Amino acid sequence: QVQLQESGPGLVKPSETLSLTCTVSGFSISSGFYWGWIRQPPGKGLEWIGIIYYSGRTYYNPSFKSRVTVSVDTSKNQFSLELSSVTAADTAVYYCVRSVSRSETFDYWGQGTLVTVSS
Amino acid sequence: QSALTQPPSASGSPGQSVTISCTGTSSDVGNYNYVSWYQQHPGKAPKLMIFEVTKRPSGVPDRFSGSKSGNTASLTVSGLQAEDEADYYCSSYAGSNNYVFGTGTKVTVL
Repeated sequence: QVQLQESGPGLVKPSETLSLTCTVSGFSISSGFYWGWIRQPPGKGLEWIGIIYYSGRTYYNPSFKSRVTVSVDTSKNQFSLELSSVTAADTAVYYCVRSVSRSETFDYWGQGTLVTVSS
Repeated sequence: QSALTQPPSASGSPGQSVTISCTGTSSDVGNYNYVSWYQQHPGKAPKLMIFEVTKRPSGVPDRFSGSKSGNTASLTVSGLQAEDEADYYCSSYAGSNNYVFGTGTKVTVL
């Protein structure tokens, strides 16, 4: 069974960089599929951030492109998100997901982690 | 890219059917058969219910069905059950390795 688990600080100061890691179990990242991040501000809808292939190829939502970096560590079976210059608008639950490129869907989700941007 | 448009709410009595719409543009919903639907219970992660417009992942009841016409996709839940009360989100591939989600619909079982 594929499982994803987010980890990282729950509180980030404005203008700093948000950093999260997703640990995948039950499936090897190197076996294929894209892996990515989706967020949900409190009480609001879902927003796609970006995805990465195990080779390191990345695709980002143009709305984030200048601030976001997604990376992968196949040796640890993990992938990570960095979002720079955060503001209160970046306060959200961040989900890591597995992305099925042939179906353009997200079939496995982590439980999500709330990141609050506040001084 | 703009979010896909969904009605804020929908409701039905147990055993009835409810249909949720998801309206996009010719650049997303209308151009690709890659519409997915997700169910989200309060405080939980979304769960994939429908992908590629009409396909159900293993384990999803056949009470859930999807369709598409032009720039609008739809999710129908037949034989409503109390456990179907949740928020539902559509998503669509938007080309150039880009994805867009819907605004979300809260389904209430009366």
